[in-house]
Amino acid sequence: EAGVAQSPRYKIIEKRQSVAFWCNPISGHATLYWYQQILGQGPKLLIQFQNNGVVDDSQLPKDRFSAERLKGVDSTLKIQPAKLEDSAVYLCASNLRVNEQFFGPGTRLTVL
Amino acid sequence: QQPVQSPQAVILREGEDAVINCSSSKALYSVHWYRQKHGEAPVFLMILLKGGEQKGHEKISASFNEKKQQSSLYLTASQLSYSGTYFCGTEGSGAGSYQLTFGKGTKLSVIP
Repeated sequence: EAGVAQSPRYKIIEKRQSVAFWCNPISGHATLYWYQQILGQGPKLLIQFQNNGVVDDSQLPKDRFSAERLKGVDSTLKIQPAKLEDSAVYLCASNLRVNEQFFGPGTRLTVL
Repeated sequence: QQPVQSPQAVILREGEDAVINCSSSKALYSVHWYRQKHGEAPVFLMILLKGGEQKGHEKISASFNEKKQQSSLYLTASQLSYSGTYFCGTEGSGAGSYQLTFGKGTKLSVIP
């Protein structure tokens, strides 16, 4: 079974630029999550999708972050414009109905 | 609210045992444990559900005190491969949200 795929794996941008991350969850997984993990911290939930609907985006900085999940499969997370404090690893995870979440390898973002 | 993990870091020699604790101030439905190696995605280890159901990992066990909202992860006869950062993720008492709040992590280093 293929795991959660993410791209790119690394991205370096300058502040005020925009960036997008892509996630392909495990086939059949209805729930998809985007997390932000700052160095030395645990993952922090940004947004949760159930199929193509948003379940919770209360911690998503909506003035600069946006996310979508078209057709209930792939998802993209966008930051526009980026700030220095956005430097982090962005993790995508998915699960079916049971509670175990499967994480992708993440995208390491560096904002200069 | 973010669960509190202790200790923040621990160094073990191969064969020694370790206990990692996770404490929450809110009522919990479940506690999840993940291990993350440097530069990699978190990997699921264990889930403990309210009511006592437990799913485990070989040589690693855990407990969940529902009254105290605390969980402990027990690693026995540690191996070099146990090194990494351990995160607990807690799910609030609204069962079925499939939403986790992660602690800051406990860094475990196993040395020969």
